[in-house]
Amino acid sequence: EPEVTQTPSHQVTQMGQEVILRCVPISNHLYFYWYRQILGQKVEFLVSFYNNEISEKSEIFDDQFSVERPDGSNFTLKIRSTKLEDSAMYFCASTLSGGPSYEQYFGPGTRLTVT
Amino acid sequence: QKEVEQDPGPLSVPEGAIVSLNCTYSNSAFQYFMWYRQYSRKGPELLMYTYSSGNKEDGRFTAQVDKSSKYISLFIRDSQPSDSATYLCAMSAEGFKTIFGAGTRLFVKA
Repeated sequence: EPEVTQTPSHQVTQMGQEVILRCVPISNHLYFYWYRQILGQKVEFLVSFYNNEISEKSEIFDDQFSVERPDGSNFTLKIRSTKLEDSAMYFCASTLSGGPSYEQYFGPGTRLTVT
Repeated sequence: QKEVEQDPGPLSVPEGAIVSLNCTYSNSAFQYFMWYRQYSRKGPELLMYTYSSGNKEDGRFTAQVDKSSKYISLFIRDSQPSDSATYLCAMSAEGFKTIFGAGTRLFVKA
């Protein structure tokens, strides 16, 4: 069964450093998403991406964050100048069709720890 | 008032019990209602999806949406220890943004 994959599974970085989280969505999917989940808190929408541009973003997704689909298979989330409060699980998701984000397939997540 | 409210539990039931999980919401624009299951250290997995009001059944799972009360439910019949997980309600309007509840931790005891 096709699945969304994410690398690395755990990333440790120092405050102020830049990190890139990587995702490989399901191959025929067209819409891509990033979510984060701070430990013990709810899953929060960050951004959706379609046709090489951001289709919607939350208030969390400020200038510190950027997304890119550098080739036909990868989807990345870059966090510039990380802060302690960026420590969280980051989930990538993808859907075949657009519109409301039902039937999203989530990856296993990357645990980001900022020290 | 939070946009989506969900009791975090934990909820502990014996094997074979019927489980009822619920969420309330405040945004009347929500049209799409989802239930996800999340095992520890894993990503959410879609269980059920419902558009607008009504019921939807899939095996042991039934999802109900009452838009007039802004209340959604997930029922699990004949619960199994393998159902032990965190259950997340989620909802969206016409856009791409999905709002999740805090999740309810469920333990099914053998």
